[in-house]
Amino acid sequence: DQQVKQNSPSLSVQEGRISILNCDYTNSMFDYFLWYKKYPAEGPTFLISISSIKDKNEDGRFTVFLNKSAKHLSLHIVPSQPGDSAVYFCAASYPGNQFYFGTGTSLTVIP
Amino acid sequence: NAGVMQNPRHLVRRRGQEARLRCSPMKGHSHVYWYRQLPEEGLKFMVYLQKENIIDESGMPKERFSAEFPKEGPSILRIQQVVRGDSAAYFCASSGQGGSGANVLTFGAGSRLTVL
Repeated sequence: DQQVKQNSPSLSVQEGRISILNCDYTNSMFDYFLWYKKYPAEGPTFLISISSIKDKNEDGRFTVFLNKSAKHLSLHIVPSQPGDSAVYFCAASYPGNQFYFGTGTSLTVIP
Repeated sequence: NAGVMQNPRHLVRRRGQEARLRCSPMKGHSHVYWYRQLPEEGLKFMVYLQKENIIDESGMPKERFSAEFPKEGPSILRIQQVVRGDSAAYFCASSGQGGSGANVLTFGAGSRLTVL
């Protein structure tokens, strides 16, 4: 039972353009959402998060949007850079529980 | 100030042998999570532990797999009688609290198990 879903396994974007990665969830109890970035042969690294009391959180080139009614969140990267090429995982959690991860989206930024 | 330390980074075992993967959480973290990533797949939750307690093991295979997080020492993921299908990257993560809040999972670099 996949409670967090990333329906796009891959995405290619030109350098300088916007990358939009999407994530859907099914459990309305989730109250905290995170995005992780993963390079090959490395562990995932935390990128940005958002609490369910907000609908937007911004950190430099990265912005996460949360639409609770649609149970949808997205990560916007602008402008995209070749170094952003990696696999991006979204994750969700609620008090006292595990963190649920999506299956990942592989982003390729073309120079 | 080391992050999450996992060892070994690479482990090769023959079918039927045992694999032990170790994870030392970040200093001050008392919650440990194990995830498995099979080739071409995402991160699959296996088990969530606090010191001396298993909180959620719903992702652990019922047989051959076990995990512990003793009062002293690292968390250990143990796989008995390994089979080729166990070949994967095993990631450990730690947090200061379980779920929610301004709470972030910090991951280790992973242990890559290859079963011959």
